[in-house]
Amino acid sequence: AQSVTQLDSHVSVSEGTPVLLRCNYSSSYSPSLFWYVQHPNKGLQLLLKYTSAATLVKGINGFEAEFKKSETSFHLTKPSAHMSDAAEYFCVVRLGGYSTLTFGKGTMLLVSP
Amino acid sequence: GAVVSQHPSRVICKSGTSVKIECRSLDFQATTMFWYRQFPKQSLMLMATSNEGSKATYEQGVEKDKFLINHASLTLSTLTVTSAHPEDSSFYICSATTPGQSDMQFFGPGTRLTVL
Repeated sequence: AQSVTQLDSHVSVSEGTPVLLRCNYSSSYSPSLFWYVQHPNKGLQLLLKYTSAATLVKGINGFEAEFKKSETSFHLTKPSAHMSDAAEYFCVVRLGGYSTLTFGKGTMLLVSP
Repeated sequence: GAVVSQHPSRVICKSGTSVKIECRSLDFQATTMFWYRQFPKQSLMLMATSNEGSKATYEQGVEKDKFLINHASLTLSTLTVTSAHPEDSSFYICSATTPGQSDMQFFGPGTRLTVL
């Protein structure tokens, strides 16, 4: 079985400060991990994905995530938040060669001026 | 590339009626499409997986007679909510995979269903 835990339901930051969105996973096999962003009333957009290559993954819009097997974590970071980053972020795990995705409950990122 | 559209974006219907939601892959052929449901402030829950030309595979707890899925072509899948009730009100999202990128799902913008 696989599962994803996003440790914070809401994260608030000021514009220009760093962003950290936390994600822990459990999987019996080597997982693929993804971060998606969802703006209000919009579809999901892929930020980045990890598929057993480099453990530090760079995505779009300045986001990156590091896969840490020993900690079973895949935290999402960005050095400097922008107002347009305010959205809901989902950490997602995919088991092995299967297509099925398991979503975390999401973290709402709030960015204040 | 890899754009997925959904129609309609919003629908309001009366209790007891049926509603059809379309999911289209605009610039690629989607061998597999997925249907998710998202309740307010909650995560996406997979409802079913459909492969073109075959019956959909439903997740445990999802009523296949209530949520009819048809994947008649490589670019179109439809979800019909039959005899809708207020508890069926939700955000329905589809996604699709391409033959060359089976590890990636491309998501549609979602359909907001409100049942009165």
